[in-house]
Amino acid sequence: AQSVTQLGSHVSVSEGALVLLRCNYSSSVPPYLFWYVQYPNQGLQLLLKYTTGATLVKGINGFEAEFKKSETSFHLTKPSAHMSDAAEYFCAVSDDNAGGTSYGKLTFGQGTILTVHP
Amino acid sequence: GAGVSQSPRYKVAKRGQDVALRCDPISGHVSLFWYQQALGQGPEFLTYFQNEAQLDKSGLPSDRFFAERPEGSVSTLKIQRTQQEDSAVYLCASSFSSGTSGAGLSYEQYFGPGTRLTVT
Repeated sequence: AQSVTQLGSHVSVSEGALVLLRCNYSSSVPPYLFWYVQYPNQGLQLLLKYTTGATLVKGINGFEAEFKKSETSFHLTKPSAHMSDAAEYFCAVSDDNAGGTSYGKLTFGQGTILTVHP
Repeated sequence: GAGVSQSPRYKVAKRGQDVALRCDPISGHVSLFWYQQALGQGPEFLTYFQNEAQLDKSGLPSDRFFAERPEGSVSTLKIQRTQQEDSAVYLCASSFSSGTSGAGLSYEQYFGPGTRLTVT
């Protein structure tokens, strides 16, 4: 079974500061990894995804994440935080149904609430 | 609109009532997922449809939960005899993926705004 751990349920940064949201996963096969953002009373929006190839993935709104297999990590970063980045962020991994066809069921972490101070 | 829509957005039910939650996926999307998001938690998988076929219902917490997608488009999640522990946001997501391995795994899931169910 797959699992995702997000370290820190709340992260607070100043506007203009580096954003670092941590995500570690467990998977028995090479994973597909995702970061989603959720604004209040809205659905989840995909920020970026890693499937294969380049391990540094760039997403929307200036976010990027690096897949590190040796560390089983997929941390999300942004060089300079904006007030509009305040939201909840979820790391997720796709299912790896080794017994048959996989269809992309997502396993999510518990989420990290990002607060940005002026 | 072009996105996934869900209705109602908010539902308050008394314990023991039945509820039905509707999901309208993006037109042409083959795959449809339901997730349950409890307060302060990440979404958890409930069930998956490929067109009208329900291929995985392993996440449904009890036999009080039932989902259908009879014509391969709109889906309904029904909860019978609601309990307080059913209070959560129910998210629907659709994907263009045809459900095959490899390429299908990377297809983005598009999420609706969710239905917030409160059982009193």
